[in-house]
Amino acid sequence: EAGVAQSPRYKIIEKRQSVAFWCNPISGHATLYWYQQILGQGPKLLIQFQNNGVVDDSQLPKDRFSAERLKGVDSTLKIQPAKLEDSAVYLCASSRGAGANVLTFGAGSRLTVL
Amino acid sequence: GESVGLHLPTLSVQEGDNSIINCAYSNSASDYFIWYKQESGKGPQFIIDIRSNMDKRQGQRVTVLLNKTVKHLSLQIAATQPGDSAVYFCAESPNPNSGGYQKVTFGTGTKLQVIP
Repeated sequence: EAGVAQSPRYKIIEKRQSVAFWCNPISGHATLYWYQQILGQGPKLLIQFQNNGVVDDSQLPKDRFSAERLKGVDSTLKIQPAKLEDSAVYLCASSRGAGANVLTFGAGSRLTVL
Repeated sequence: GESVGLHLPTLSVQEGDNSIINCAYSNSASDYFIWYKQESGKGPQFIIDIRSNMDKRQGQRVTVLLNKTVKHLSLQIAATQPGDSAVYFCAESPNPNSGGYQKVTFGTGTKLQVIP
């Protein structure tokens, strides 16, 4: 099966600019996750979707981050305006459903904020 | 690609030796545990998982041990190879069969360096 697709792979912006990341999960996977991974740390969950509904966005900085999964398939994560501390890799993952399922990750989108 | 393990604890192992990577978790409600491997420039990749009703599970060259009493998890890699060099993360989740959604929380990771 095709893996989780993410784009762009790399993005460099200046602080206060905006950026958007796109994710296409594995076909048929109901659950989609966005994680933020700062260099040298483990991935931190930003938001989790079950189909097109949000089930957890408790760690999403909602003043600047937003995400949507309108048709329950692909998803976009937006940052506006970006801060220096947003420099990280943004990982998208998907799994079959709400139960015990393995997360399959994309390669990530590396953001550098100058 | 840029390494994800610049500031992580590092374990250096000679090729052919066995590796043991340890992980302490904090949430007593966690019932499902997963080990992921992350190579430079890639997303984490599933290695092996274990549920709380087990204390040991074996895969191909890998074994996961779970001690719920002290909230400790370990990953053993037999006959470590250069291709095993990566950052290893343990992840935990509450009971996946509770009917609720699965929230997966990652630990800080350990960088494994295999010396040829």
